[in-house]
Amino acid sequence: GESVGLHLPTLSVQEGDNSIINCAYSNSASDYFIWYKQESGKGPQFIIDIRSNMDKRQGQRVTVLLNKTVKHLSLQIAATQPGDSAVYFCAEGRGYSTLTFGKGTMLLVSP
Amino acid sequence: EPEVTQTPSHQVTQMGQEVILRCVPISNHLYFYWYRQILGQKVEFLVSFYNNEISEKSEIFDDQFSVERPDGSNFTLKIRSTKLEDSAMYFCASSADTGNQPQHFGDGTRLSIL
Repeated sequence: GESVGLHLPTLSVQEGDNSIINCAYSNSASDYFIWYKQESGKGPQFIIDIRSNMDKRQGQRVTVLLNKTVKHLSLQIAATQPGDSAVYFCAEGRGYSTLTFGKGTMLLVSP
Repeated sequence: EPEVTQTPSHQVTQMGQEVILRCVPISNHLYFYWYRQILGQKVEFLVSFYNNEISEKSEIFDDQFSVERPDGSNFTLKIRSTKLEDSAMYFCASSADTGNQPQHFGDGTRLSIL
């Protein structure tokens, strides 16, 4: 079946480095993609989203890139900080209805 | 900043008992959702709710599950006869009506079935 998945289960970086978290999706009908951050004991926290008519969107220290040709989504975090340590989920949807989540990538930031 | 609040944070229930999980969505939001996350697994969609009715539901959301918006602020998930496999984190989410706003999640209720 179609699904959203992540390539790297754990990513370890040094404080100040730039981080890139990748996500592959397979549902070509998806037109909305979103990144969430989940800290231990908390719910998913919205980071940034992008619609399929865009290929890049920037937020504060974060950039999401969408490559529809290869069905790939990435989250770039600039100047990663220890507070960025968390599990990051990508999710896909159609319109703004049901979200299908990937398994998540653990980001570990060392001081 | 407005947030989705969920109660209780942890619910322990005997198998076969009914449980009600409560959520207060963000006040100006009109779309509501329940998701669950079994320990170590990904977040799974259960149900979406708009205009006092279910918009969409997954295969997980069987006859044992129901949702309700009993008043202008609460959104509840009821499991009629809990099973061991219902043990999970249950997340409530809400989004605004514009169609251009993402889903915002609460911190979840940890449901433990004994």
